[in-house]
Amino acid sequence: GAVVSQHPSRVICKSGTSVKIECRSLDFQATTMFWYRQFPKQSLMLMATSNEGSKATYEQGVEKDKFLINHASLTLSTLTVTSAHPEDSSFYICSARDRASPSAGTLPSRAFFGQGTRLTVV
Amino acid sequence: SQQGEEDPQALSIQEGENATMNCSYKTSINNLQWYRQNSGRGLVHLILIRSNEREKHSGRLRVTLDTSKKSSSLLITASRAADTASYFCATGPFSGNTPLVFGKGTRLSVIA
Repeated sequence: GAVVSQHPSRVICKSGTSVKIECRSLDFQATTMFWYRQFPKQSLMLMATSNEGSKATYEQGVEKDKFLINHASLTLSTLTVTSAHPEDSSFYICSARDRASPSAGTLPSRAFFGQGTRLTVV
Repeated sequence: SQQGEEDPQALSIQEGENATMNCSYKTSINNLQWYRQNSGRGLVHLILIRSNEREKHSGRLRVTLDTSKKSSSLLITASRAADTASYFCATGPFSGNTPLVFGKGTRLSVIA
């Protein structure tokens, strides 16, 4: 099946530094990728929708200047947490859908998830 | 934003027992999916049920969907300690650009 690779799986950084998280679709092309954040014992909250070749769409309350998203190719999206603070410590997960999958109205397509990145800001 | 509630939020059972988790959602859906997440790990897709389906089975999993009540249930039969995880329902997507929307999840503990 389709595989989404997310890297790194775990990162510890100092407050004020920036961290880049990569999300790659390994055997399919993804025009759209999604970034989620998950705090301990809570659900996944959508942060932004990453569109290949265009600007990302951010959910309400998510600072676009703090969480920079770049979707430069059909297989790679990156999330950069800029000037990280301890409150940014969280589990970040990306998701991608195969661009070849049928659209709504026919068979629904699955979303594939990366392994997640545990970010700890100290 | 989240679709709705999962019920219960936490469930603890003995190995061999059945576990039932419920999910409610708010808006119309195209499909509903259930995922499992082991602690600190990524998501594992379990099963997808379309809006025109009422019940679906996969191994020890049984999912029901009641669109009139906007609810779904996940039944795990003959549970095992390895089933210990958090379980989330997710609704959508309507199109390639629409993300999944997750419920709050149920933390299941299966005691050996």
